[in-house]
Parts: sequence; structure tokens; C-alpha cells
Amino acid sequence: DAGVIQSPRHEVTEMGQEVTLRCKPISGHDYLFWYRQTMMRGLELLIYFNNNVPIDDSGMPEDRFSAKMPNASFSTLKIQPSEPRDSAVYFCASSSNPSPREQFFGPGTRLTVL
Amino acid sequence: AQSVTQLGSHVSVSEGALVLLRCNYSSSVPPYLFWYVQYPNQGLQLLLKYTSAATLVKGINGFEAEFKKSETSFHLTKPSAHMSDAAEYFCAVNGNEKLTFGTGTRLTIIP
Repeated sequence: DAGVIQSPRHEVTEMGQEVTLRCKPISGHDYLFWYRQTMMRGLELLIYFNNNVPIDDSGMPEDRFSAKMPNASFSTLKIQPSEPRDSAVYFCASSSNPSPREQFFGPGTRLTVL
Repeated sequence: AQSVTQLGSHVSVSEGALVLLRCNYSSSVPPYLFWYVQYPNQGLQLLLKYTSAATLVKGINGFEAEFKKSETSFHLTKPSAHMSDAAEYFCAVNGNEKLTFGTGTRLTIIP
């Protein structure tokens, strides 16, 4: 299996620009998670989906962030407009039933907003 | 609600010495517990998991962890540290559909 795939691996953009991060989960996994990792705040869960439906988006920092999962093999995390404080590494992870639902992480996207 | 506490944000050990990374959990139900490792500029990789089948769990790269219900602990150990073990280690507990991660422990190996 190819594992969780994320693109791009690195993104540098200017403040105010729209950023779209992409994730392809492991085939057959029905849960997908988006995390953000920073030195200051550590690893934060932003949102997660089950069977393509958002279940908990309480970790999404503000309305500038949105996530979609149009089908079982693709998800996006969009930031519009981006701000310097959004600079972080964004991880996507997937898992499947049954428990214990260990999560498999992608390599991450390092986002730098200038 | 489930939670984990990792004691020590930074741990340094000499090459060849024992590695001990501490994790205590809080859970209202029998927990599933995990240790993940993150090497520089990489994603998190599962090291080992506790699923109630055995209290001593062996993982990859010579690591193991012991579940102690009486102490609500799940500490990670390795008898002899290698330079390649330098990384950040995260303890996590399964709360229904999602994992709750600890704040991580950065392990440094001294040559």
C-alpha cells in the first residue's frame, strides 16, 4: 500500500493568498483526520471525517479554514485568506474500523506564509 | 474523556544506555494506548500499541512498553539507545473515534 499521500510537501505563499492542501487516505480507510503541528501548540486535531462526512470540526481555528472530502479517496484543507500565523506542518491521517483505530499519518505539508 | 500526560519534554541519554519515556493516561473506560515516533521532517509512525491482549507490548526498533493499570502508566523503554533513536515520541490514547496525543518528548542521544 502506498500509505497516506499528501501534496504538496512544501508550500510557500504570501499573506492573503489561498492555500489548498491535499490528501489521499489509505484505500479502504473510512476515517480521515487533519492535524496541524507547530512548536508553540504541538499537534492539534483540526477536523475529522467518517465516510466522507465531517464529524468534528471544533479544532478548526477560524472561518478562514475549510475542509472537504468529496469522495473516499480525496480530501482538501483550504485556507483563505492565509496569514503568517498559519505557518505550520499540516498532517493528514487515516484509520479504519474496528478499534483500536490506529491512525496512519502522511508525510505532512510544510506551509510557510510570508 | 481520555487524556495522556508525558513527563519530560526533553530527555537525553547516552548511546547504549537505557531509554525510558514516561506516559500516564486518564480514561473512564479500558483504554487503547499508542506510542508514535516522529523523525525530523517526517510524519508520525506507529511504534507500538496496547489493545488489552498483553500488558507488555513489543514494538519496532527494539522498543517496548508496559501497561500498568494500577499506576495508569504506559512507559516506553529500550534497553540500549542508538543514535538513530533520536526523534520525538508521542503517547496517545484512543477516545472513541479519535486519538488524544500527549505533548511529545524529544529524545536526544549523546554519543
